[in-house]
Amino acid sequence: QVRLQESGPGLVEPSGTLSLTCKVSGFSISGTYHWGWTRQPPGKGLEWIGSVYHSGSTYYSPSLKSRVIMSVDKAKNEFSLNLASVTAADTAVYSCSRASLLTGPDSWGQGVLVTVSS
Amino acid sequence: QSALPQPPSVSGSPGQSVTISCSGISNYVHYNRVSWYQQTPGTAPRLILYEITTRPSGVPDRFSGSMSGDTASMTISGLLAEDEADYYCCSYTGRSAWVFGGGTKLTVL
Repeated sequence: QVRLQESGPGLVEPSGTLSLTCKVSGFSISGTYHWGWTRQPPGKGLEWIGSVYHSGSTYYSPSLKSRVIMSVDKAKNEFSLNLASVTAADTAVYSCSRASLLTGPDSWGQGVLVTVSS
Repeated sequence: QSALPQPPSVSGSPGQSVTISCSGISNYVHYNRVSWYQQTPGTAPRLILYEITTRPSGVPDRFSGSMSGDTASMTISGLLAEDEADYYCCSYTGRSAWVFGGGTKLTVL
């Protein structure tokens, strides 16, 4: 059974870079799934940030594309999110997920609250 | 990509049926790749339906999906108190990208 666990700082200063890692267990990241990041600002809905495939190919949401970099580390079976130039509007619960083209995201991590504040 | 429009809230009494809509689906080529998620406070979303009508293992058949024109819908029949949650639709837009609906809060009266 696949398990995903996010890790990273819970507090980032404005203009800094938000960096999160998602450790995948129980499933190879080299399988035929996409690995994605979603965020949810407090009290608001889900926003798809983007996804990365084990080959390294990526897709980023147009609204965040200029600030996002995602990567995958097959040796560690984990993938990462970097979001640059953050502001208070980037404060949210960030979650990683596994997604197939058939189902969409089908397994999620518990999420981590990242607050942007000085 | 803007969030797919969903009603902000719906409600129903135990035993009744409620339907949640999600519009704008026809904007995307892969219009049959619609999923629905259930989320209770403080928990990760749970996949309830995919490909419009397919239930993953373990999801009760009280949950059903449909599509008509531009709009996908999910119906919950025989409402239970435990169904109270936020529900999100999600559409595959192509090129490994997805877009979520704005979310609907279901209140069981």
